Amino acid sequence: EAGVAQSPRYKIIEKRQSVAFWCNPISGHATLYWYQQILGQGPKLLIQFQNNGVVDDSQLPKDRFSAERLKGVDSTLKIQPAKLEDSAVYLCASSDSEKETQYFGPGTRLLVL
Amino acid sequence: AQKITQTQPGMFVQEKEAVTLDCTYDTSDPSYGLFWYKQPSSGEMIFLIYQGSYDQQNATEGRYSLNFQKARKSANLVISASQLGDSAMYFCAMRERNTDKLIFGTGTRLQVFP
Repeated sequence: EAGVAQSPRYKIIEKRQSVAFWCNPISGHATLYWYQQILGQGPKLLIQFQNNGVVDDSQLPKDRFSAERLKGVDSTLKIQPAKLEDSAVYLCASSDSEKETQYFGPGTRLLVL
Repeated sequence: AQKITQTQPGMFVQEKEAVTLDCTYDTSDPSYGLFWYKQPSSGEMIFLIYQGSYDQQNATEGRYSLNFQKARKSANLVISASQLGDSAMYFCAMRERNTDKLIFGTGTRLQVFP
């Protein structure tokens, strides 16, 4: 079974630029999550989708971050415009709605200069 | 508010020895789940083990076991027979009954030496 796929793996941008990350969850997983992991901290949930609907986006900075999951499969997370403090690893995870475990992708390391 | 505390920023263990990584949690929900993940330097979070709050027995998965002490609100990870490949960051996480959101601790960096 293929795992969660993410791209790109690394991205370097200048502040005020835009960036987008892509995630393809494990096949059949209805729930998809985006986490932000700042250096030295544990991951923090940004947004959760159930199929193509948003379940929880309470910690998403909506003035600059947006996410979508069209057709309930792939998802994109966008930052526009980026700030220095957005430098982090962005992790995508998915879970089967009937099970407990979230499986994570390899993450995208973002550096904002 | 739910919270996960990992008080050990770093741990060292010799190859083939056992090591315990500490995790305490705080929640008012009687139903919750506890998870441990491993994060190598490559960045991905690898699921290791799960313990439900109503599980009667401690969870085990190969060389990993979870020492669950509900009254003390602790869920320590025990790795037996450490291997060099076990060197990584280890995160404890909790999920309450009515949400899917995982709350993570700050992690413990484990280094296994020969």
